[in-house]
Amino acid sequence: GAVVSQHPSWVICKSGTSVKIECRSLDFQATTMFWYRQFPKQSLMLMATSNEGSKATYEQGVEKDKFLINHASLTLSTLTVTSAHPEDSSFYICSARDAGGSTGELFFGEGSRLTVL
Amino acid sequence: AQKITQTQPGMFVQEKEAVTLDCTYDTSDPSYGLFWYKQPSSGEMIFLIYQGSYDQQNATEGRYSLNFQKARKSANLVISASQLGDSAMYFCAMREDSNYQLIWGAGTKLIIKP
Repeated sequence: GAVVSQHPSWVICKSGTSVKIECRSLDFQATTMFWYRQFPKQSLMLMATSNEGSKATYEQGVEKDKFLINHASLTLSTLTVTSAHPEDSSFYICSARDAGGSTGELFFGEGSRLTVL
Repeated sequence: AQKITQTQPGMFVQEKEAVTLDCTYDTSDPSYGLFWYKQPSSGEMIFLIYQGSYDQQNATEGRYSLNFQKARKSANLVISASQLGDSAMYFCAMREDSNYQLIWGAGTKLIIKP
């Protein structure tokens, strides 16, 4: 099946620094990628929809200047958490839709666990 | 209003027993898709099964089947002959064809006991 790779899987950073998380579709083209945040024992919360070559669409309440999303190619989207603070500590997960798929199934990355000290 | 409802926050099931995870949904869109995903403790999301609103038969994938009752707006996941490796969070999700995004349920934590 289609594979989405997310990197890094675990990152610890100091407060005030920026962290970049990559999401790559390895064997398919993804015109649209989604970024989610998951708090412990909770469902996924959609943060933004990333479209290749255009600006991301952010969900209400998500700070676009805080969570910078870039979708520069059909196989890569990045999420940068700028000036990270402890409250940004969370599990971030991306997904991508296979543009050539028929069911609309999303393929998910392994997730990235961010801990801000 | 909640569009996807999973009423079971957690379940304990004996190994080898069948288990049903509940999911009800709410939509006025005539065309939609229903998904189940598994999330083990490692965090990744694993696609299990898909049911389209116009599909006449219930979807099946190995030990997974989806009990789709359209009139009741329910899409329960049935796992036959549960295994220890089935212990995980299970999420039900819906995609309305008028909206590109997935709408998620709160999830059910399934624990399989040996």
